[in-house]
Amino acid sequence: GNSVTQMEGPVTLSEEAFLTINCTYTATGYPSLFWYVQYPGEGLQLLLKATKADDKGSNKGFEATYRKETTSFHLEKGSVQVSDSAVYFCARAPAAAGNKLTFGGGTRVLVKP
Amino acid sequence: EAEVAQSPRYKITEKSQAVAFWCDPISGHATLYWYRQILGQGPELLVQFQDESVVDDSQLPKDRFSAERLKGVDSTLKIQPAELGDSAMYLCASSSYRDRGYEQYFGPGTRLTVT
Repeated sequence: GNSVTQMEGPVTLSEEAFLTINCTYTATGYPSLFWYVQYPGEGLQLLLKATKADDKGSNKGFEATYRKETTSFHLEKGSVQVSDSAVYFCARAPAAAGNKLTFGGGTRVLVKP
Repeated sequence: EAEVAQSPRYKITEKSQAVAFWCDPISGHATLYWYRQILGQGPELLVQFQDESVVDDSQLPKDRFSAERLKGVDSTLKIQPAELGDSAMYLCASSSYRDRGYEQYFGPGTRLTVT
């Protein structure tokens, strides 16, 4: 079936450090891939997405590249801030529009000043 | 900016009681989703509506859970009777092909605690 696996947290970093969160997905079909962020006490917000191989999604200094050959969609940010402390979820959706998201288990990131 | 509204934000109920959650999607969004997020895990889809019709409820525990979207706008998710294992965050999301090609917008969620 469809699944998403992401690295477990928590990930604790100092401000301005480099962040990487690994995510791999099952290669059934040609899925779209997403990163969502959940700040404390809030719902999920779409951070970035990529809909086909080699696409790079980017937003707020975060980037992720759709790697079909390694079935990966790793999230990176070059210099994190305290405000980036949140839980990050990798997700996939089937290629057909309007279908359900399958989420990874989430990675909690804590950035210390 | 339009948002998905959910109420209540928090609910504490005793085991075997009935509980209901409400969701009002972004205006014009035909697709509505209910997800359950157990603490420390990713959200899992419970039910998906297209207008007033259910298109996917394969993960909905139908012996105790029900969902409706009678007029194709707002939606209610009900649990009766609640069990301890139902403690979780219940998230509602909505989407529309005309809005960034089915990008899902999430509400703030309802945190349910069953005692």
